[in-house]
Amino acid sequence: EAGVAQSPRYKIIEKRQSVAFWCNPISGHATLYWYQQILGQGPKLLIQFQNNGVVDDSQLPKDRFSAERLKGVDSTLKIQPAKLEDSAVYLCASSLGTAGIYGYTFGSGTRLTVV
Amino acid sequence: AQTVTQSQPEMSVQEAETVTLSCTYDTSESDYYLFWYKQPPSRQMILVIRQEAYKQQNATENRFSVNFQKAAKSFSLKISDSQLGDAAMYFCAYRMEGGATNKLIFGTGTLLAVQP
Repeated sequence: EAGVAQSPRYKIIEKRQSVAFWCNPISGHATLYWYQQILGQGPKLLIQFQNNGVVDDSQLPKDRFSAERLKGVDSTLKIQPAKLEDSAVYLCASSLGTAGIYGYTFGSGTRLTVV
Repeated sequence: AQTVTQSQPEMSVQEAETVTLSCTYDTSESDYYLFWYKQPPSRQMILVIRQEAYKQQNATENRFSVNFQKAAKSFSLKISDSQLGDAAMYFCAYRMEGGATNKLIFGTGTLLAVQP
């Protein structure tokens, strides 16, 4: 089966600019996650979607980050305006069921550098 | 709050040898899931092995096995017959359950180098 697709692979922007990341999960996977991985740290959940509804966005900085999942398939994560501390790898993952007890399938991520 | 601790920032092993990566976690739950993920330079997180807390038997996947000590809240990963392709960052993760969310909480990772 095709994996989780993410684009772009790399992005460099100046602070205060906006940026968007795209994710296409594995076909049929109901649950989609966006994780932020800062250099030297483990990934941290930003937002979790169940189909096209949000079930957890408690760690999402809502003053600058937004995310949507259209029609329960593709998802976009946006940052506006970006700060230096947003430099990180943004990982998208999906899981077949709601429970995620078999783990998630991750994409290769987008490396964002804010200068 | 659930936390995951990996106390070894870096480890090194000779090719064909065995290495053990450590992980401890903190939780008040009795039923949960634990995972080890591998992250090579390509950045994609790859599931290595999973353990269900209600199972006493340690999980194994080919050269990878775990030592799950529930009472001690310890979940170490053993890699046998290490290969050059095993070189990567390894993350231990705890699956947190609370309402509709089932997010994974990750440790800070262990960078494994494999020497030829």
